[in-house]
Amino acid sequence: AQKITQTQPGMFVQEKEAVTLDCTYDTSDPSYGLFWYKQPSSGEMIFLIYQGSYDQQNATEGRYSLNFQKARKSANLVISASQLGDSAMYFCAMREGTNSGYSTLTFGKGTMLLVSP
Amino acid sequence: GAGVSQSPSNKVTEKGKDVELRCDPISGHTALYWYRQSLGQGLEFLIYFQGNSAPDKSGLPSDRFSAERTGGSVSTLTIQRTQQEDSAVYLCASSLVGGLTNQPQHFGDGTRLSIL
Repeated sequence: AQKITQTQPGMFVQEKEAVTLDCTYDTSDPSYGLFWYKQPSSGEMIFLIYQGSYDQQNATEGRYSLNFQKARKSANLVISASQLGDSAMYFCAMREGTNSGYSTLTFGKGTMLLVSP
Repeated sequence: GAGVSQSPSNKVTEKGKDVELRCDPISGHTALYWYRQSLGQGLEFLIYFQGNSAPDKSGLPSDRFSAERTGGSVSTLTIQRTQQEDSAVYLCASSLVGGLTNQPQHFGDGTRLSIL
């Protein structure tokens, strides 16, 4: 089973509107972290926001917020007031806590967001 | 610079040749990761270094792929006898430590490898 599922291959939004990018995850580990990255056409991966499994509040970073629903195992990214520069590929990723003290990031397949004027 | 640096940014080579890709992580970051991203796909984990040792090589697709890290800093990913299916963007990332779930990985701009 996939550990990270992003069901929206592409999303369209008009400038200044809000958009939600979906992410569901699968883990039996009680300790994990969820990350969102942005990848513009230039190719670099830009870290946006982090949510820990024990965090009581939803993470926010500027125009980005994470709608964390632990029981549903979802960690949707909300971008408020979209800008043209938000057009990019967005990846959800998870790191699980392990007794070995290490685990890598597992990425979803991504959602392409296009913001129109 | 302050970020993860990768070189070359682009590499075109003939099938069967060996290639070396270099990654210089953010200063002070002990954990280093290599990923591969094929066209239109997500990221595929290759290998992880903590310091100079590689506790997880599980993602290396074949024995043609190897990587090393020296001085706890620069890492080199080597692909021997390249095949056309090796064409991809190879991304390197680093983080302060490898064992904490809240450590984001910071990525370089990648090396775009094209095998003719």
